[in-house]
Amino acid sequence: DIQMTQSPASLSASLGETVTIECRASEDIYNGLAWYQQKPGKSPQLLIYNANNLHTGVPSRFSGSGSGTQYSLKINSLRSEDVASYFCQQYYNYPPYTFGAGTKLELK
Amino acid sequence: EVQLVESGGGLVQPGRSLKLSCAASGFTFSNYGMAWVCQAPTKGLEWVASISTGGGDPYYRDSVKGRFTISRDNAKSTLYLQMDSLRSEDTATYYCARHDWALDYWGQGVMVSVSS
Repeated sequence: DIQMTQSPASLSASLGETVTIECRASEDIYNGLAWYQQKPGKSPQLLIYNANNLHTGVPSRFSGSGSGTQYSLKINSLRSEDVASYFCQQYYNYPPYTFGAGTKLELK
Repeated sequence: EVQLVESGGGLVQPGRSLKLSCAASGFTFSNYGMAWVCQAPTKGLEWVASISTGGGDPYYRDSVKGRFTISRDNAKSTLYLQMDSLRSEDTATYYCARHDWALDYWGQGVMVSVSS
């Protein structure tokens, strides 16, 4: 199984800041990676697919990058509505599809 | 608008069964693979099972193999998860999601609690 190691586990940032969340796969996943946002009490929502493609309706302040085993999600100009947990997921090699443990983003 | 609405959750004793349903609308259900993902209280996301467009070749995470069965009725645009021999560690919110490589749309989730 491919293991996904996500960091940091939690993050505190100020409005307007840029934040970056990292995800490392235990082997090459050839950009088969998605990022999800889960607001408190809500279901997850797709942000990024294929490592760097923005899902329909997702604001352009979100971006994804990376290749091989290393990937990152960047949020520019942090807004209050971005407070959420963020998860990466690999879908290159399955079953199983595997998720990172998540990053909880809070406002400073 | 894509909508996925789960139902069928609840409190059940260990060893008993439960069947979840996910009613889909706003897209051509038969054109997409579908999946179930769970989330234990205050924990992360865990993929449970997936099924292809025609219903053949379902696949499962190891911990539910032989106990859970994913199925679909394309005529009714509905996804199912039959959960047998439930264990306390199956307690979680279960989400259905549309599979387009990534999981591009999710339902609101349904809670399953396994306890005596």
